[in-house]
Amino acid sequence: DSGVTQTPKHLITATGQRVTLRCSPRSGDLSVYWYQQSLDQGLQFLIQYYNGEERAKGNILERFSAQQFPDLHSELNLSSLELGDSALYFCASSVGSGSSTDTQYFGPGTRLTVL
Amino acid sequence: GENVEQHPSTLSVQEGDSAVIKCTYSDSASNYFPWYKQELGKRPQLIIDIRSNVGEKKDQRIAVTLNKTAKHFSLHITETQPEDSAVYFCAAPGRGFQKLVFGTGTRLLVSP
Repeated sequence: DSGVTQTPKHLITATGQRVTLRCSPRSGDLSVYWYQQSLDQGLQFLIQYYNGEERAKGNILERFSAQQFPDLHSELNLSSLELGDSALYFCASSVGSGSSTDTQYFGPGTRLTVL
Repeated sequence: GENVEQHPSTLSVQEGDSAVIKCTYSDSASNYFPWYKQELGKRPQLIIDIRSNVGEKKDQRIAVTLNKTAKHFSLHITETQPEDSAVYFCAAPGRGFQKLVFGTGTRLLVSP
């Protein structure tokens, strides 16, 4: 157990819908990272927050957005869902200032299925 | 640079053999190289990492070596066991060192 929690574990929804994925970082970690992993694919970096502020952005679609709240938990919002959005979504956290040299610890992931 | 190349994509070995996975990176200033193990349907787990001030790091049956001149780093697993079967990802800092860029993964299969 890495100490990073994610809810829900599974999510099944229809095309066009909107969902929210939630992540709580390890105690003491200030940075949260979101990744997308499609079937048999690698980890695609979406976005990173540090202490409530956006720090880095990857290949995140405009239909996706995220935020980090004062208690440091983060939410990833996915809207106008398409079949191709079906994937595992991982959250990771790190203790440092958000530099990529910080060790990242991954949560268990949310499996999103869009029908 | 944004690219991290990882080879091979699949690797099959017999139990007890050694396994080596290699990654190359673009940015010569990169200074942190973690390796993650991911079992089917589970989260990536950090198994070992190395920073650029050392050339090798070892933890029991796992070791990582770094060649900064050639800009590549490798994961070495000795005395492989069936439970080592998983997908292994390397990573290196991306442009501006604001994120990690992951390799495409190596599926390791250890046969009894």
